[in-house]
Amino acid sequence: AQTVTQSQPEMSVQEAETVTLSCTYDTSENNYYLFWYKQPPSRQMILVIRQEAYKQQNATENRFSVNFQKAAKSFSLKISDSQLGDTAMYFCAFGSGGGADGLTFGKGTHLIIQP
Amino acid sequence: NAGVTQTPKFRVLKTGQSMTLLCAQDMNHEYMYWYRQDPGMGLRLIHYSVGEGTTAKGEVPDGYNVSRLKKQNFLLGLESAAPSQTSVYFCASSKTSRIPNEQFFGPGTRLTVL
Repeated sequence: AQTVTQSQPEMSVQEAETVTLSCTYDTSENNYYLFWYKQPPSRQMILVIRQEAYKQQNATENRFSVNFQKAAKSFSLKISDSQLGDTAMYFCAFGSGGGADGLTFGKGTHLIIQP
Repeated sequence: NAGVTQTPKFRVLKTGQSMTLLCAQDMNHEYMYWYRQDPGMGLRLIHYSVGEGTTAKGEVPDGYNVSRLKKQNFLLGLESAAPSQTSVYFCASSKTSRIPNEQFFGPGTRLTVL
């Protein structure tokens, strides 16, 4: 079974700063996918970014980028030029390459952007 | 497209009562999932379905039953609710594509069992 660990329960940064959220995972699979989901106070789960394990290039989506270290089983999320609207819970998630199984989530990091 | 919708949004039950949560998706997705979210725990998979008429157990299936009679609907049932089932329930769906695990989530149902 896979496990996903987010070691930072809460982080707080000033608006416009850069922040990095950590995620490590454990798996014996070679083909898998990793995701970061954002959950604002509205409770809606929003996909932020995804990474396919067979791709060496780190994924980027506007201000969001990842540092994927496959050998170290590390998948951190970097948010540049942070905005007040980035305040939310952030969940790291693992999906096996088979596709049908559900995702395994970490416990989340509560990110607070201070004005 | 409405995406993934869940009914109801909130519900309060007494111990021993039963209820059914409805999830509907209009994206023609093959796979559907039910998760529960508890404080400090992230989301945990309850049951899932890889197609109409099929269901499978996830990480925390005890106390729940599911059915997928139509491709677009996935029902989660609690036959005899317990306080330990107080949680926020999320439904999700995904398509059999080259990124099969990309899941689209509903808005959640907050269930309180007294």
